[in-house]
Amino acid sequence: DTGVSQNPRHKITKRGQNVTFRCDPISEHNRLYWYRQTLGQGPEFLTYFQNEAQLEKSRLLSDRFSAERPKGSFSTLEIQRTEQGDSAMYLCASSFGSGGYQETQYFGPGTRLLVL
Amino acid sequence: AQSVTQLDSHVSVSEGTPVLLRCNYSSSYSPSLFWYVQHPNKGLQLLLKYTSAATLVKGINGFEAEFKKSETSFHLTKPSAHMSDAAEYFCVVRGGSSGNTGKLIFGQGTTLQVKP
Repeated sequence: DTGVSQNPRHKITKRGQNVTFRCDPISEHNRLYWYRQTLGQGPEFLTYFQNEAQLEKSRLLSDRFSAERPKGSFSTLEIQRTEQGDSAMYLCASSFGSGGYQETQYFGPGTRLLVL
Repeated sequence: AQSVTQLDSHVSVSEGTPVLLRCNYSSSYSPSLFWYVQHPNKGLQLLLKYTSAATLVKGINGFEAEFKKSETSFHLTKPSAHMSDAAEYFCVVRGGSSGNTGKLIFGQGTTLQVKP
């Protein structure tokens, strides 16, 4: 098991550009989560999938953000028309379960986004 | 709504002395609580989790936490700090109206500094 992987690890872009991040979960994990962490803060939940279904989205996820998990395996998070306020670490986590007490989320290393 | 409050943003200890990182939670039901650690440039790692089985939870690297319902606390302790323990620590509660959603709610984090 290689763990959760995220690509790219770093991304620098100019304001107004679109960016896409990829997350590959631990194999056979049916749940996949996206979080955002700004400097000096704890991660904040953005959205999650159970298999290919997107079950919950945070109000933090504006219309410029979209996430997909088309085949229930890897996921992509796209940000359109980036703003400087989007600069943050984007974390992906995966788990196996249905939200019960025993579910444990395993995190990837994150993608650090800097919008100039 | 569920929430956690980490009472100290920064804790400094000497190597070999005990560690205490404080966390209070708010929840309308029996919560699932976690402690995660984040080392610089590394992903979040699960230290331990409370899932209503035992109030004293033992984790990795000698850490443990005690769930105290009467005090709504879930403090993290370690008898003897090691230099490698220096990191950011997050107290986390599972969200949702009855704790059955996957999303995690993180505290603001506590930076642990270990002095030689």
